[in-house]
Amino acid sequence: AQKITQTQPGMFVQEKEAVTLDCTYDTSDPSYGLFWYKQPSSGEMIFLIYQGSYDQQNATEGRYSLNFQKARKSANLVISASQLGDSAMYFCAMRFMNTGFQKLVFGTGTRLLVSP
Amino acid sequence: ETGVTQSPTHLIKTRGQQVTLRCSSQSGHNTVSWYQQALGQGPQFIFQYYREEENGRGNFPPRFSGLQFPNYSSELNVNALELDDSALYLCASSFAGDSKNIQYFGAGTRLSVL
Repeated sequence: AQKITQTQPGMFVQEKEAVTLDCTYDTSDPSYGLFWYKQPSSGEMIFLIYQGSYDQQNATEGRYSLNFQKARKSANLVISASQLGDSAMYFCAMRFMNTGFQKLVFGTGTRLLVSP
Repeated sequence: ETGVTQSPTHLIKTRGQQVTLRCSSQSGHNTVSWYQQALGQGPQFIFQYYREEENGRGNFPPRFSGLQFPNYSSELNVNALELDDSALYLCASSFAGDSKNIQYFGAGTRLSVL
């Protein structure tokens, strides 16, 4: 069964420092996609970054990068130069195919707090 | 902003009532997925609509139903509301022809069942 595990309920970081949010996944499918979303207190789930299972290079989007280690089944999110506005819940998710449709399976999330 | 809009933003209902939640997709998207997010948890997949048909469903009972319209907007209907239905309901739209199939979410509807 497909499963996403986020073991850090909360993380604290000072402004301008880098932070790594952990994510491990479990699947037997060779083709899958990995996503990170940010959810501020307003509730909207904001897409941050995507990594395909066949992608050779780690994905990067501005201050966000994804440390993809396929053999270890991990897909950690690295946020460089943290900003106060980065304080939010962060969810790792995996997309997999299931009889003709694709759904996202989410982890339980990590709450990031950025302090001045 | 993603261009996915949901209404209403908040809703209070009593047990046994019925509720309809609405979602407008991002322009160019043809697929809509609905998720339920209970407090302190990650979103759980309810179902997905493509070409006005339900093409996938999660572990939710039949009293959760939906529609997709020709303009790709969608509704989520919940009958016989239970206290455990209290949650944030998120709608996500995507384009089926995109190899990444990124789902873009709206701000959600927060439903409270009393």
